[in-house]
Parts: sequence; C-alpha cells; structure tokens
Amino acid sequence: QKEVEQNSGPLSVPEGAIASLNCTYSDRGSQSFFWYRQYSGKSPELIMFIYSNGDKEDGRFTAQLNKASQYVSLLIRDSQPSDSATYLCAVRSWNAGGTSYGKLTFGQGTILTVHP
Amino acid sequence: DAMVIQNPRYQVTQFGKPVTLSCSQTLNHNVMYWYQQKSSQAPKLLFHYYDKDFNNEADTPDNFQSRRPNTSFCFLDIRSPGLGDAAMYLCATSRVGQGAQPQHFGDGTRLSIL
Repeated sequence: QKEVEQNSGPLSVPEGAIASLNCTYSDRGSQSFFWYRQYSGKSPELIMFIYSNGDKEDGRFTAQLNKASQYVSLLIRDSQPSDSATYLCAVRSWNAGGTSYGKLTFGQGTILTVHP
Repeated sequence: DAMVIQNPRYQVTQFGKPVTLSCSQTLNHNVMYWYQQKSSQAPKLLFHYYDKDFNNEADTPDNFQSRRPNTSFCFLDIRSPGLGDAAMYLCATSRVGQGAQPQHFGDGTRLSIL
C-alpha cells in the first residue's frame, strides 16, 4: 500500500514568518512530488513540483526533496493571510504498465493558518 | 485560456436518481482522471482514461461509471446515488511524457443527495 503522510495540523504561523510543511512517503519507486494548495470549498491548485533531490525555489515557495529519507517539504517564506489553506502533498509513481505517466497518491493535507 | 471545465458547479439529486457530471478540457491532454473528495479528506481516485483506455481503481464501487467520447470530454455517471456519495467530484488532466507532468484540476462539482 503506497502511503503519503502529512501532519494534519492545523499549523498556525504569524504573518511574515516561515511556514514549514512536511510529507513522508512509503514507495521508494516514487518519481515526482507535488504540492497543491486547496482553499475551502475549492479544487486543488498546483503550487510546485520537484523530482530531483535538493531544493527548488519559486518566489516565496521552496520545495525540498530527500529521496533517501523519503521526505519532501514545502517552505513558505513571508507567510501571508492569503496563504491560509490546506496544503496537499501528492506523490507520483510510475504506472504499473510502465507508461510515462502515473497516478497521484495524496496525503491527508495540512491546514495552514496565517494570522495577522 | 486552456483549462479544465466542470459542469455543473453544484448538483443536487435525489437518492437513487441517476446523475451525470461533465468535464471538458482544452489542454489536449491524454489522461483524464476523476476523483471523489469528501470533507477534510484527500482526493480519492475513482478511475482514469489514458486516451480511450479505461482504468478503474479496485475499490471504486460499481455504481460509478465513466465515459470518454473524445479527447476533450469525460463524464462521470452515478447510477444510483446514495447518501454516502455526497462529495466534491474533481476532474483532472495530465500529459504523457518525461518529467513531472502535473495534474491540472477543474473547479469541481459539489454533489448533494436529498
């Protein structure tokens, strides 16, 4: 059973602080890792993806991947109240048939609250 | 703008009355997915199409069916909705190829059962 684990939170940080969201996964064959943001009642919105070990930065967001530890994280710098949402970690493994796409396994999501 | 469009945004149906949810895409992606998401839970994959090839998840109830008449459209049919089927239904698409190939979601259809 492929599993993706996230701390459900809620994680509360003050405005301007760094929010750190963590995710672990069980399938060592996982290839790509995604962070989605989901506002209440809305659909998931892709924030970042990463597939190589190390850090990937995009504006205020940094994704970090450590395949040896099966760990992926998302850092949000200078957190804003508009960042308050549920953050879903999703992991993609290769499709069983070996085709070059894969299904996503989602974590339960971490609720982030940024307070002024 | 290229996008994934779901209709309707809100659907109310009666217990046991068949309902169809619609998804269209202008991204020309090979793969289309249907997810069910209940409150405070992760999206749960129901099935997906790779072009015309249908792939059902092992734990998807028989009550749920899907059709993909062409590249752009995909439908989710719920033959006899029960109260437990009330949820947000999400359609997503992705390309096939090397690299990450993220999934792009539509706005979802929120289904209520009376």
